[in-house]
Amino acid sequence: GEDVEQSLFLSVREGDSSVINCTYTDSSSTYLYWYKQEPGAGLQLLTYIFSNMDMKQDQRLTVLLNKKDKHLSLRIADTQTGDSAIYFCAESISGGYQKVTFGTGTKLQVIP
Amino acid sequence: DTEVTQTPKHLVMGMTNKKSLKCEQHMGHRAMYWYKQKAKKPPELMFVYSYEKLSINESVPSRFSPECPNSSLLNLHLHALQPEDSALYLCASSQEAGGMGQPQHFGDGTRLSIL
Repeated sequence: GEDVEQSLFLSVREGDSSVINCTYTDSSSTYLYWYKQEPGAGLQLLTYIFSNMDMKQDQRLTVLLNKKDKHLSLRIADTQTGDSAIYFCAESISGGYQKVTFGTGTKLQVIP
Repeated sequence: DTEVTQTPKHLVMGMTNKKSLKCEQHMGHRAMYWYKQKAKKPPELMFVYSYEKLSINESVPSRFSPECPNSSLLNLHLHALQPEDSALYLCASSQEAGGMGQPQHFGDGTRLSIL
Protein backbone atom coordinates (compact mmCIF):
# COMPACT_ATOMS: atom_id res chain seq x y z
CA GLY A 1 0.00 0.00 0.00
CA GLU A 2 0.96 3.64 -0.19
CA ASP A 3 1.53 5.64 2.96
CA VAL A 4 3.26 8.99 3.13
CA GLU A 5 4.02 10.13 6.66
CA GLN A 6 5.06 13.51 8.02
CA SER A 7 5.40 14.98 11.47
CA LEU A 8 2.44 17.20 12.27
CA PHE A 9 4.10 20.34 13.54
CA LEU A 10 7.38 22.25 13.38
CA SER A 11 8.23 25.56 15.06
CA VAL A 12 11.33 27.59 14.17
CA ARG A 13 12.62 31.10 14.78
CA GLU A 14 12.78 33.59 11.94
CA GLY A 15 16.17 33.42 10.24
CA ASP A 16 16.83 29.81 11.25
CA SER A 17 16.69 26.85 8.87
CA SER A 18 13.63 24.59 8.81
CA VAL A 19 13.79 20.92 7.92
CA ILE A 20 10.55 19.14 7.13
CA ASN A 21 10.73 15.36 6.85
CA CYS A 22 8.67 12.83 4.95
CA THR A 23 8.75 9.04 4.66
CA TYR A 24 7.05 7.04 1.98
CA THR A 25 6.59 3.33 1.47
CA ASP A 26 6.17 2.74 -2.26
CA SER A 27 9.52 1.95 -3.87
CA SER A 28 7.93 2.45 -7.31
CA SER A 29 7.69 6.19 -6.73
CA THR A 30 9.12 8.08 -9.66
CA TYR A 31 8.62 11.68 -8.60
CA LEU A 32 8.35 13.30 -5.19
CA TYR A 33 6.85 16.73 -4.69
CA TRP A 34 6.64 19.41 -2.06
CA TYR A 35 3.55 21.61 -1.89
CA LYS A 36 2.84 24.59 0.38
CA GLN A 37 -0.67 25.49 1.54
CA GLU A 38 -1.36 28.82 3.23
CA PRO A 39 -4.60 29.36 5.18
CA GLY A 40 -7.60 29.66 2.88
CA ALA A 41 -5.58 28.87 -0.24
CA GLY A 42 -4.91 25.97 -2.54
CA LEU A 43 -1.70 23.99 -2.86
CA GLN A 44 1.30 25.77 -4.33
CA LEU A 45 3.91 23.57 -5.99
CA LEU A 46 7.31 24.41 -4.47
CA THR A 47 9.65 21.88 -6.02
CA TYR A 48 9.92 18.27 -7.11
CA ILE A 49 12.63 15.66 -7.55
CA PHE A 50 13.02 12.64 -9.75
CA SER A 51 13.68 9.44 -7.84
CA ASN A 52 17.10 8.90 -9.44
CA MET A 53 18.36 12.16 -7.94
CA ASP A 54 19.48 12.59 -4.36
CA MET A 55 19.46 16.36 -4.07
CA LYS A 56 17.90 19.39 -5.69
CA GLN A 57 18.45 23.03 -4.74
CA ASP A 58 16.24 25.94 -5.71
CA GLN A 59 17.08 29.27 -4.06
CA ARG A 60 16.27 28.86 -0.33
CA LEU A 61 14.89 25.35 -0.81
CA THR A 62 16.95 22.16 -0.71
CA VAL A 63 15.36 18.76 -1.25
CA LEU A 64 17.21 15.65 -0.11
CA LEU A 65 16.13 12.16 -1.12
CA ASN A 66 17.37 8.96 0.49
CA LYS A 67 15.83 6.31 -1.71
CA LYS A 68 17.22 3.42 0.33
CA ASP A 69 15.43 4.66 3.46
CA LYS A 70 12.48 6.11 1.48
CA HIS A 71 13.08 9.44 3.22
CA LEU A 72 12.54 12.87 1.72
CA SER A 73 13.29 16.21 3.36
CA LEU A 74 12.75 19.86 2.54
CA ARG A 75 15.17 22.38 4.00
CA ILE A 76 14.18 26.05 3.99
CA ALA A 77 17.13 28.36 4.60
CA ASP A 78 16.66 31.70 6.38
CA THR A 79 13.04 30.93 7.25
CA GLN A 80 10.71 33.93 7.08
CA THR A 81 7.30 34.55 8.66
CA GLY A 82 5.81 34.23 5.16
CA ASP A 83 6.94 30.61 5.14
CA SER A 84 4.38 29.76 7.84
CA ALA A 85 2.02 27.28 6.20
CA ILE A 86 1.25 23.58 5.90
CA TYR A 87 3.73 21.65 3.79
CA PHE A 88 2.67 18.45 2.00
CA CYS A 89 5.03 15.99 0.44
CA ALA A 90 3.58 13.80 -2.29
CA GLU A 91 4.70 10.84 -4.33
CA SER A 92 3.64 9.77 -7.78
CA ILE A 93 3.97 6.50 -9.63
CA SER A 94 3.93 6.69 -13.41
CA GLY A 95 1.70 4.43 -15.38
CA GLY A 96 -1.63 4.67 -17.09
CA TYR A 97 -2.49 7.38 -14.65
CA GLN A 98 -0.08 9.36 -12.52
CA LYS A 99 -1.61 8.76 -9.10
CA VAL A 100 -0.39 11.23 -6.54
CA THR A 101 -0.46 10.30 -2.86
CA PHE A 102 -0.17 13.16 -0.41
CA GLY A 103 1.45 13.07 3.00
CA THR A 104 -0.36 14.04 6.15
CA GLY A 105 1.06 17.57 6.09
CA THR A 106 3.42 19.45 8.43
CA LYS A 107 2.37 22.76 9.90
CA LEU A 108 5.34 25.11 10.01
CA GLN A 109 5.13 27.96 12.50
CA VAL A 110 7.76 30.71 12.20
CA ILE A 111 8.28 32.76 15.34
CA PRO A 112 9.40 36.37 14.74
CA ASP B 1 -0.82 33.87 -8.36
CA THR B 2 -2.44 30.65 -9.47
CA GLU B 3 -2.92 29.71 -13.10
CA VAL B 4 -5.88 27.53 -12.21
CA THR B 5 -8.94 29.66 -11.44
CA GLN B 6 -11.84 28.38 -9.38
CA THR B 7 -15.22 30.02 -8.81
CA PRO B 8 -16.89 30.73 -6.54
CA LYS B 9 -14.40 31.09 -3.68
CA HIS B 10 -17.11 30.41 -1.10
CA LEU B 11 -20.46 28.66 -1.44
CA VAL B 12 -23.16 28.05 1.14
CA MET B 13 -26.03 25.84 0.08
CA GLY B 14 -28.90 23.89 1.54
CA MET B 15 -29.21 20.14 1.18
CA THR B 16 -31.90 20.46 -1.50
CA ASN B 17 -30.08 23.01 -3.66
CA LYS B 18 -28.33 22.44 -6.98
CA LYS B 19 -25.14 24.36 -7.60
CA SER B 20 -21.98 24.07 -9.68
CA LEU B 21 -18.31 24.66 -9.03
CA LYS B 22 -16.20 25.88 -11.93
CA CYS B 23 -12.52 25.53 -12.76
CA GLU B 24 -10.56 27.02 -15.64
CA GLN B 25 -6.97 26.71 -16.81
CA HIS B 26 -5.21 28.18 -19.85
CA MET B 27 -1.92 26.34 -19.62
CA GLY B 28 -2.83 23.87 -22.37
CA HIS B 29 -3.00 21.05 -19.84
CA ARG B 30 -4.92 17.96 -20.94
CA ALA B 31 -5.54 16.43 -17.52
CA MET B 32 -7.78 17.99 -14.88
CA TYR B 33 -8.65 16.80 -11.39
CA TRP B 34 -11.13 17.38 -8.58
CA TYR B 35 -10.03 16.90 -4.98
CA LYS B 36 -11.87 17.23 -1.69
CA GLN B 37 -9.97 18.51 1.34
CA LYS B 38 -11.25 18.44 4.90
CA ALA B 39 -9.69 20.65 7.56
CA LYS B 40 -6.17 19.63 8.62
CA LYS B 41 -6.14 16.73 6.13
CA PRO B 42 -4.43 16.16 2.79
CA PRO B 43 -6.48 16.42 -0.42
CA GLU B 44 -8.42 13.32 -1.47
CA LEU B 45 -8.81 12.59 -5.17
CA MET B 46 -12.36 12.52 -6.52
CA PHE B 47 -12.17 12.57 -10.33
CA VAL B 48 -9.61 12.66 -13.13
CA TYR B 49 -10.30 13.87 -16.66
CA SER B 50 -7.86 13.12 -19.43
CA TYR B 51 -8.42 14.70 -22.86
CA GLU B 52 -11.91 15.73 -21.75
CA LYS B 53 -12.91 12.15 -20.89
CA LEU B 54 -13.53 10.90 -17.37
CA SER B 55 -10.78 8.39 -16.64
CA ILE B 56 -10.95 8.02 -12.86
CA ASN B 57 -13.89 8.15 -10.44
CA GLU B 58 -12.70 7.35 -6.93
CA SER B 59 -16.07 5.88 -5.87
CA VAL B 60 -17.57 9.32 -5.41
CA PRO B 61 -21.31 9.46 -4.56
CA SER B 62 -23.57 10.35 -7.48
CA ARG B 63 -24.63 13.60 -5.82
CA PHE B 64 -21.32 14.90 -7.24
CA SER B 65 -21.38 15.02 -11.03
CA PRO B 66 -18.30 16.20 -12.95
CA GLU B 67 -18.33 17.66 -16.44
CA CYS B 68 -15.54 18.71 -18.80
CA PRO B 69 -17.07 20.92 -21.54
CA ASN B 70 -13.68 21.56 -23.17
CA SER B 71 -9.99 21.19 -22.49
CA SER B 72 -9.84 24.39 -20.40
CA LEU B 73 -12.94 23.98 -18.25
CA LEU B 74 -13.98 21.59 -15.55
CA ASN B 75 -17.24 21.73 -13.63
CA LEU B 76 -18.51 19.91 -10.58
CA HIS B 77 -22.30 19.80 -10.32
CA LEU B 78 -23.70 19.41 -6.83
CA HIS B 79 -27.15 18.14 -5.86
CA ALA B 80 -28.68 16.95 -2.59
CA LEU B 81 -25.44 17.24 -0.66
CA GLN B 82 -25.02 16.22 2.96
CA PRO B 83 -23.47 18.26 5.82
CA GLU B 84 -20.42 15.97 5.74
CA ASP B 85 -19.74 17.20 2.19
CA SER B 86 -18.69 20.56 3.62
CA ALA B 87 -15.03 20.95 2.66
CA LEU B 88 -12.57 22.77 0.43
CA TYR B 89 -12.90 21.56 -3.16
CA LEU B 90 -9.71 21.87 -5.14
CA CYS B 91 -9.24 21.71 -8.87
CA ALA B 92 -5.87 20.83 -10.39
CA SER B 93 -4.41 20.35 -13.85
CA SER B 94 -1.32 18.76 -15.36
CA GLN B 95 0.06 18.41 -18.87
CA GLU B 96 -0.95 14.77 -19.18
CA ALA B 97 -2.66 12.36 -16.82
CA GLY B 98 -0.02 9.66 -17.13
CA GLY B 99 3.07 11.65 -17.96
CA MET B 100 6.21 11.41 -15.90
CA GLY B 101 7.34 14.38 -13.89
CA GLN B 102 4.38 16.53 -14.78
CA PRO B 103 3.26 18.05 -11.52
CA GLN B 104 -0.29 19.02 -10.77
CA HIS B 105 -1.03 22.73 -10.43
CA PHE B 106 -3.82 23.66 -8.05
CA GLY B 107 -6.39 26.41 -7.85
CA ASP B 108 -7.25 28.17 -4.60
CA GLY B 109 -10.35 26.08 -4.10
CA THR B 110 -14.01 26.62 -3.33
CA ARG B 111 -14.93 26.57 0.36
CA LEU B 112 -18.28 24.73 0.44
CA SER B 113 -20.62 24.77 3.43
CA ILE B 114 -23.77 22.64 3.49
CA LEU B 115 -26.51 23.81 5.86
